[in-house]
Amino acid sequence: GNSVTQMEGPVTLSEEAFLTINCTYTATGYPSLFWYVQYPGEGLQLLLKATKADDKGSNKGFEATYRKETTSFHLEKGSVQVSDSAVYFCALSVRNSGNTPLVFGKGTRLSVIA
Amino acid sequence: EAGVTQSPTHLIKTRGQQATLRCSPISGHTSVYWYQQALGLGLQFLLWYDEGEERNRGNFPPRFSGRQFPNYSSELNVNALELEDSALYLCASSLFFGTGDTRYSPLHFGNGTRLTVT
Repeated sequence: GNSVTQMEGPVTLSEEAFLTINCTYTATGYPSLFWYVQYPGEGLQLLLKATKADDKGSNKGFEATYRKETTSFHLEKGSVQVSDSAVYFCALSVRNSGNTPLVFGKGTRLSVIA
Repeated sequence: EAGVTQSPTHLIKTRGQQATLRCSPISGHTSVYWYQQALGLGLQFLLWYDEGEERNRGNFPPRFSGRQFPNYSSELNVNALELEDSALYLCASSLFFGTGDTRYSPLHFGNGTRLTVT
């Protein structure tokens, strides 16, 4: 089946530190990969996506590269800010298996302290 | 554009009662998805509707049901509430290009309905 595994949190970093949140997946078919972010009290927002191997998604200083050989889509940011404190979800969608809706990881809570 | 709206924001019910949650998608979106976000369990897919039809269903018992109206808004009904149904229920909407189409339309989420079962 399709599944996503991401590192458990919480992750606590100081402002301007480097961030990595690991995400690996298993999929039947050819997945598109996503990172969503959930700020406190809000719904999920799409942060970035990659639809094929070696694609790099980027937004707001965050990046993730679709690595088919390691079935990974790790999220990185070079210098985090307090405003990045949120829960981050890795997700996949397999487009050629009946339009399966997004499958999410369990989320990683990030806290950035000044 | 107006985002996905959900109502009510909070809902408190007692065990055995029924809960009805509502969702209005972004204008032009025909697909509506429901997810359950329970503490420590991440997001679990519940239901997907498009053009009034149920397209896919997650691994939940039949007491979780829903429907989509002609204006594409949707209801999620949970019957015979149990304590473990307490969670944040998120609705999302998207375009749908048809089965087999490889284009992706991002899901846009509402802020959720917090259901508490006592």
